Amino acid sequence: AQSVAQPEDQVNVAEGNPLTVKCTYSVSGNPYLFWYVQYPNRGLQFLLKYITGDNLVKGSYGFEAEFNKSQTSFHLKKPSALVSDSALYFCAVQGAGNMLTFGGGTRLMVKP
Amino acid sequence: NAGVTQTPKFQVLKTGQSMTLQCAQDMNHEYMSWYRQDPGMGLRLIHYSVGAGITDQGEVPNGYNVSRSTTEDFPLRLLSAAPSQTSVYFCASSYVAGQPQHFGDGTRLSIL
Repeated sequence: AQSVAQPEDQVNVAEGNPLTVKCTYSVSGNPYLFWYVQYPNRGLQFLLKYITGDNLVKGSYGFEAEFNKSQTSFHLKKPSALVSDSALYFCAVQGAGNMLTFGGGTRLMVKP
Repeated sequence: NAGVTQTPKFQVLKTGQSMTLQCAQDMNHEYMSWYRQDPGMGLRLIHYSVGAGITDQGEVPNGYNVSRSTTEDFPLRLLSAAPSQTSVYFCASSYVAGQPQHFGDGTRLSIL
């Protein structure tokens, strides 16, 4: 069975500092990896994906993620955090088949 | 485009009642899915469909039924509501499985 772990329930960072939200996964075959963001009382919004190719993937709003096959990780990063980045972030994986599995989510708090 | 539309936005039910959560998309997406979101557990896949007339079970299908008679609509039925089904339900769609999903804004369901 495939699974996703987001080891931090919450990440706190000061505005202007770099941020990292961690994600590790377990899946059979080559993974499709995704990051989504959720703002209060809204559905999830797609940020970026990795399917094949470069290990560094660039996405929306200045976010990027680094795929590391040996560590089975797909950490989300941003060089300079904004207060408006504060939200709930979800990592997700899809392996063989049609099912997408989400991690438990990490709340990002960016303080002025 | 409206994207993915879910109705109702809020609903309170009594134990044992049945109801249908509606989901419609206007993007001609083949893949549609239903998730439930519970605190600390991320999103868990209930059922999904890869096209009209085709549905399959996800991670937590018990107590829920789905059908896909058209490309646009993918209703979720609660057969006999239980307090354990209190949750926020999200519908999502994508062109095909493995592509980024578009989410509705959710239905907040309370079972008393």
